[in-house]
Amino acid sequence: DAGVIQSPRHEVTEMGQEVTLRCKPISGHDYLFWYRQTMMRGLELLIYFNNNVPIDDSGMPEDRFSAKMPNASFSTLKIQPSEPRDSAVYFCASALGNQPQHFGDGTRLSIL
Amino acid sequence: KQEVTQIPAALSVPEGENLVLNCSFTDSAIYNLQWFRQDPGKGLTSLLLIQSSQREQTSGRLNASLDKSSGRSTLYIAASQPGDSATYLCAAQASGGYNKLIFGAGTRLAVHP
Repeated sequence: DAGVIQSPRHEVTEMGQEVTLRCKPISGHDYLFWYRQTMMRGLELLIYFNNNVPIDDSGMPEDRFSAKMPNASFSTLKIQPSEPRDSAVYFCASALGNQPQHFGDGTRLSIL
Repeated sequence: KQEVTQIPAALSVPEGENLVLNCSFTDSAIYNLQWFRQDPGKGLTSLLLIQSSQREQTSGRLNASLDKSSGRSTLYIAASQPGDSATYLCAAQASGGYNKLIFGAGTRLAVHP
């Protein structure tokens, strides 16, 4: 079975550019989560969806960040405009109900 | 606000040792406590999940315990192997947040032959 698929695996872009991260959750899962991991702050929940509806976006750091889930098989996390402090590894995870979350391999983002 | 702390931050042991990783949380009103493993350049893999009503869970050489009253969980790894080298994270699931996890910073484990 395919796990959670994230793309791209690596992204290097210049400050001010728009960045779009993509996630395909495991088929049948009804929860989708976006996390950010840095050395300084560890793993932080940014936003999560239930049945494609955003439930809690309190972890989204600024208005520059936005996330959408247009259907059950796809989600995006956008940063516009990007800044060097956004450099991190961004993870997507999905889950069925209260079962353990399954994580993708992450997108390593570097903003120059 | 729930805070999760893991001690030690890093651990290096020779192969074959039994070891204990510690996790503490500030709010005892948790739904469950989970342990994950993260390999370099990879996402997290769920190892064990302990419901708030349970005291421990076991999977192979891994045993996790939960003491809600003291706000602590431990992950015990028996007969460690080089393949156990990874970062281990614990996460508390809040009762008020469905499936929302608060993670500790992790313990980076190195098991050398």
